[in-house]
Amino acid sequence: GENVEQHPSTLSVQEGDSAVIKCTYSDSASNYFPWYKQELGKRPQLIIDIRSNVGEKKDQRIAVTLNKTAKHFSLHITETQPEDSAVYFCAASRGSASKIIFGSGTRLSIRP
Amino acid sequence: KAGVTQTPRYLIKTRGQQVTLSCSPISGHRSVSWYQQTPGQGLQFLFEYFSETQRNKGNFPGRFSGRQFSNSRSEMNVSTLELGDSALYLCASSLVQGSDTEAFFGQGTRLTVV
Repeated sequence: GENVEQHPSTLSVQEGDSAVIKCTYSDSASNYFPWYKQELGKRPQLIIDIRSNVGEKKDQRIAVTLNKTAKHFSLHITETQPEDSAVYFCAASRGSASKIIFGSGTRLSIRP
Repeated sequence: KAGVTQTPRYLIKTRGQQVTLSCSPISGHRSVSWYQQTPGQGLQFLFEYFSETQRNKGNFPGRFSGRQFSNSRSEMNVSTLELGDSALYLCASSLVQGSDTEAFFGQGTRLTVV
């Protein structure tokens, strides 16, 4: 069945350092991979997404890489700041936002 | 432009009762999806409606149902509530047009079953 595995479940990094979250998907038909950030008590919000015809995408301090062959994709946050503290979810979908399979989430804490 | 609106925000129900949650998508969005979020199971897909038709369904029992109206507003219903149904229920709307596929989430309805 469709499944997305996400690691690590918790991550603590020093402010200014980089954070990396890794995910693996099982559905070969997946071709849309969004990443969501959810702050405590708030709704998930899209921070970046990538499609299967692209290997890497960057938006300021955030970058996502995709390895279709290995069915791996990763989120990289550089120069982390206190406001980056949140739960991050990777997800996979068959080309649309209508059915998104989420990873289990990574709680990222930024140490001052 | 108004975001996705879910009502009510909080709800307390007793085991065995039924509940109806409402979701109003962003104007112009025709797809509405529902998700259940719990600490133990994370974010799980319930179902998706597009143009009043259920297009996708997750692995939830038949006690969970939904519908969509002609104005794209959607409701989900849970019958014979169980303690394990306590969760944050999120709906998301999307345009589903061309390459525009971002899903926008509502604030959610927090359901507590006692």
